[in-house]
Amino acid sequence: EDQVTQSPEALRLQEGESSSLNCSYTVSGLRGLFWYRQDPGKGPEFLFTLYSAGEEKEKERLKATLTKKESFLHITAPKPEDSATYLCAVQAWEAAGNKLTFGGGTRVLVKP
Amino acid sequence: GAVVSQHPSRVICKSGTSVKIECRSLDFQATTMFWYRQFPKQSLMLMATSNEGSKATYEQGVEKDKFLINHASLTLSTLTVTSAHPEDSSFYICSARDPLSGSAQYFGPGTRLTVL
Repeated sequence: EDQVTQSPEALRLQEGESSSLNCSYTVSGLRGLFWYRQDPGKGPEFLFTLYSAGEEKEKERLKATLTKKESFLHITAPKPEDSATYLCAVQAWEAAGNKLTFGGGTRVLVKP
Repeated sequence: GAVVSQHPSRVICKSGTSVKIECRSLDFQATTMFWYRQFPKQSLMLMATSNEGSKATYEQGVEKDKFLINHASLTLSTLTVTSAHPEDSSFYICSARDPLSGSAQYFGPGTRLTVL
C-alpha cells in the first residue's frame, strides 16, 4: 500500500528564516511526486511535479528535490504570504485511475 | 491554463435534502475527475474517481448510493449528496487531470457543505 508521511506537522518561522519540509514515501513504483499549497478554505494549488531521483524544481522562494525515499520542499527567506499548508502526494504507476495518495500536510506559519 | 471551477462554493441545507455540486474544467478536457472530502485540519481523502461516459470508481468505505457521481461530458462532473445528514457536513473538493500537462491533478476551489 502506498504511504506518504510529512514532517513536521506544523512549522513556525520568522520572516527570512529558511527551512525545509520533508515528505517520506513508500510506493510500488513512483510515477510522480507532487507538491501542492493549500490556503484555508480553498482547494490545493499545484506547485511541482517530480518524476525521478535527483530531479529539482524551483519557483520563487520554493525549491523541491527528490530522492528514492523522500522529497524536500525548501523555503528560502520566507515571507508571511508563504504561510499555508503544504501537501505532498505520490502517484504510482499501478495506481487505478491515476489517483494520488496524499500526506497529512505541513502547516507553515511565517511571522513578520 | 488548467483551471477547475466548482459550484456552489458554499451551501447550507436541511437534513434529508439532496445537494448537487458541479465541477468543471474550464480550459481543458478531462476524461478523469476526482472527488475528495476534507475535514478540518486534515488532509484530503479520495472519495471516488469519475470517468467520462462510465461509472465512477468509489474508494472503500464510500457509499455509492449516497454520493452519486455523474461525468456526462469531458468538462463536467457532478457529485450529489443524497439525503444529507449533519455528518455529511464537510469540505468537498474536485480535481481533474489535464492529459496534455503531465500527470498532475488540478483542484477546484472547494465546496463547503453544512447540513443542519
